[in-house]
Amino acid sequence: SQTIHQWPATLVQPVGSPLSLECTVEGTSNPNLYWYRQAAGRGLQLLFYSVGIGQISSEVPQNLSASRPQDRQFILSSKKLLLSDSGFYLCSYSTAATDTQYFGPGTRLTVL
Amino acid sequence: GNSVTQMEGPVTLSEEAFLTINCTYTATGYPSLFWYVQYPGEGLQLLLKATKADDKGSNKGFEATYRKETTSFHLEKGSVQVSDSAVYFCALSDMNTGFQKLVFGTGTRLLVSP
Repeated sequence: SQTIHQWPATLVQPVGSPLSLECTVEGTSNPNLYWYRQAAGRGLQLLFYSVGIGQISSEVPQNLSASRPQDRQFILSSKKLLLSDSGFYLCSYSTAATDTQYFGPGTRLTVL
Repeated sequence: GNSVTQMEGPVTLSEEAFLTINCTYTATGYPSLFWYVQYPGEGLQLLLKATKADDKGSNKGFEATYRKETTSFHLEKGSVQVSDSAVYFCALSDMNTGFQKLVFGTGTRLLVSP
């Protein structure tokens, strides 16, 4: 069966510090991978998506970047966090067999 | 572009009441439609989906019918439980960009009291 993991589950970081959030998928090959951000009380904003290793597309300009070093690993990074980067970060995947996306448990980031 | 509009929340109901959460969409082509549910502090879970007009998705007592003529995908449940309290997101799949992208509504919070 397919599963998706995210870590850490929660993170509190000072303004100006770096960030690395990790997402991994098990049980499938060559998934499409996605990063979303959910600000408090708001909907989901697609940040990045990837259709293969090293292939990253950004949906909105921002302080964040993404990388896909392995087929089933997706990393969200920042060199210097801003207060506005606080939120709930969700990773998801889809496969060629379906147009459904499946989500991980999320990472809650608080920037102080 | 494609978009999804959901009714504003919160929706507050008593246990065993009937639930309707409205969702309408604007899209080119024939997207698939989804309802996702988010329990407090958790990620999104797929609740149900429909892939073509007149399809009915159903799961855990929830239902939604893909209505092309009214561009709607309203979520219904005959008798809600306290455990249904969550945020519900309507979404459509947008393939216009060449890959599967989900367009979400803003979410509707449901609060069910005993």
